[in-house]
Amino acid sequence: IAGITQAPTSQILAAGRRMTLRCTQDMRHNAMYWYRQDLGLGLRLIHYSNTAGTTGKGEVPDGYSVSRANTDDFPLTLASAVPSQTSVYFCASSDSTSGPYNEQFFGPGTRLTVL
Amino acid sequence: GQNIDQPTEMTATEGAIVQINCTYQTSGFNGLFWYQQHAGEAPTFLSYNVLDGLEEKGRFSSFLSRSKGYSYLLLKELQMKDSASYLCAEVDSNYQLIWGAGTKLIIKP
Repeated sequence: IAGITQAPTSQILAAGRRMTLRCTQDMRHNAMYWYRQDLGLGLRLIHYSNTAGTTGKGEVPDGYSVSRANTDDFPLTLASAVPSQTSVYFCASSDSTSGPYNEQFFGPGTRLTVL
Repeated sequence: GQNIDQPTEMTATEGAIVQINCTYQTSGFNGLFWYQQHAGEAPTFLSYNVLDGLEEKGRFSSFLSRSKGYSYLLLKELQMKDSASYLCAEVDSNYQLIWGAGTKLIIKP
């Protein structure tokens, strides 16, 4: 593994189904993030984690949950998917101990379609 | 992004220079990032400014004016591979990134 990986690459999901998007990083970064990217809206933060064992809500957390059991993994779960959750999802990580210089490194993204 | 403004789309010619502007709210400012994103790919880091002035890195330069809440990304000697979206992101008071919607740059031969 080099950097950040996400799985699956893409997924078509029926509304009401549960789905977990996986994210793994091997850079030993403290902080990890989940964003969704929709046309014309840019990246919007869903949830974040500043360190293993802690999580926080971002700008658009409703309908999503996360966990951070260890440094490397940060899965995002949609408990009951709805069509408005159709989007491209990016996971990112950063070495947050460097303060305001919060350069984030992104995974390749997951394209999710909810029908 | 709710606090970040940048043009939706720009067009430029191969070999030319283009300037992409970004304005942001100045309260709680902790720096400004520029990222490049090719279609269907992840954003990648281009530059970071926290002090006023111009930071040059090869063909790309980034400028910041904190008093005006203004930044720009300057791309010189444009190449076809520079066709991409350019994302401006402000570091807020909580050290989170607030992202603009991005500027799609189209390069024509």
